Amino acid sequence: GAVVSQHPSWVICKSGTSVKIECRSLDFQATTMFWYRQFPKQSLMLMATSNEGSKATYEQGVEKDKFLINHASLTLSTLTVTSAHPEDSSFYICSARDRQSGTSSGELFFGEGSRLTVL
Amino acid sequence: AQRVTQPEKLLSVFKGAPVELKCNYSYSGSPELFWYVQYSRQRLQLLLRHISRESIKGFTADLNKGETSFHLKKPFAQEEDSAMYYCALSYSSASKIIFGSGTRLSIRP
Repeated sequence: GAVVSQHPSWVICKSGTSVKIECRSLDFQATTMFWYRQFPKQSLMLMATSNEGSKATYEQGVEKDKFLINHASLTLSTLTVTSAHPEDSSFYICSARDRQSGTSSGELFFGEGSRLTVL
Repeated sequence: AQRVTQPEKLLSVFKGAPVELKCNYSYSGSPELFWYVQYSRQRLQLLLRHISRESIKGFTADLNKGETSFHLKKPFAQEEDSAMYYCALSYSSASKIIFGSGTRLSIRP
C-alpha cells in the first residue's frame, strides 16, 4: 500500500526556536496533504490542508503564522512550528491522499507521526 | 458545524462476544464516513468506508442517515481486534476528514 513518511519522528527543542517537520509520500503523488495534531489521549485535530503549489488552508483557531506549511512538490509537505513554546508540545501527524485516486475515494494514508517537545 | 461523536472511550468485551462501537455524526450535507484503526505502535490505517459496503476483518458498518449513525460491528471479537478505533467524516470539496475522539477496544481472552 501507499506509504507516508514523516521526519523527524521525535524532536526536542528550546523555547523560542523553530522546528520543521517533513511529510513525504514515498510511492505516490499527493496534491493534498493534511496536518493533524494529537494531544495525549485525545483525538486527531485537523490543523490545515496543504495544497501543492498553493497556499495552505487553515482550520479555525489555528495560527497560520505560527504553523507554516509549505507543499512545494507532489511528494513533500513541511510543517514549521515557529518560535515554539511548551504549549506547542504535541504529536503532529500528516496524511496524504493518492492523487490518482481523486478526492472521492476518501482513504488517507498516514505518517507515523512526529512528537515535538518544547522545553 | 461538522462533528463526529464516539460516546465510548473504552469498550472491553470477551473473545467471541459481539462488538459494537458507536459513532454519530453531524453534517448537513451528504456524508462520507469511515472507520480508521490504530493497532499498538502502528500508524493509523483505514478499516472500512461506508461507500464500499464491504466487510473487513469481519467488521461491518452501516450508514443510518435517519439516526446519523455509523456504528461498527463484529459478531465475534478476536484478541487481535484490540486497538484504537476512530470514526471519521469526510466533507467539503477538499474532502477534509475529521475524526471522533476514538474508542479503545480491548478484547479479553
